[in-house]
Amino acid sequence: ETGVTQSPTHLIKTRGQQVTLRCSSQSGHNTVSWYQQALGQGPQFIFQYYREEENGRGNFPPRFSGLQFPNYSSELNVNALELDDSALYLCASSLGTLGSPLHFGNGTRLTVT
Amino acid sequence: AQSVTQPDIHITVSEGASLELRCNYSYGATPYLFWYVQSPGQGLQLLLKYFSGDTLVQGIKGFEAEFKRSQSSFNLRKPSVHWSDAAEYFCAVGTDIAGGYQKVTFGTGTKLQVIP
Repeated sequence: ETGVTQSPTHLIKTRGQQVTLRCSSQSGHNTVSWYQQALGQGPQFIFQYYREEENGRGNFPPRFSGLQFPNYSSELNVNALELDDSALYLCASSLGTLGSPLHFGNGTRLTVT
Repeated sequence: AQSVTQPDIHITVSEGASLELRCNYSYGATPYLFWYVQSPGQGLQLLLKYFSGDTLVQGIKGFEAEFKRSQSSFNLRKPSVHWSDAAEYFCAVGTDIAGGYQKVTFGTGTKLQVIP
């Protein structure tokens, strides 16, 4: 079974730009969750998609948006980048039901200058 | 709202010594609890999970955790630490969001250093 893959692994952007991060979920998983992990912090929940619909969102502004595709892969888009958006962005796939463990990719390291 | 507290930001243990990492959660209903480990620059790997049954659960790499409802705790333990266990450890709680779907909330993590 293939695991969760994220691309790119590293990215440098300038303040005000837009970025798209991509995630391929583990086979058999229909739910994708995105997390932001700032340096020295725990992962913070951004949002979650189940079968192409957003079914949960954390305390992030609307400039953070996402998509899930029919093959359950997903994108995270961030508009109007700010310096504080610099972080490791983690994607996790799961079955989405209570008790289902998350399976994480290795993340995308975003640096905003 | 649910929350997870890991009171120890950083712990140092000697190789071969025992380890206990603390975790307290806050959630009104039955919690689904997880421990994950993260090596530098990597994603998170599941060590173990609990949601019912025996309150002592076994995980990978020789780790175990004990659920204590009265203390709202889910502490992670290992009898003898190996140098390769040096990493950051995250406790997490899975909670119900509308319709039976799960949202997972993480603690701030405990960084484990292992000295020879």
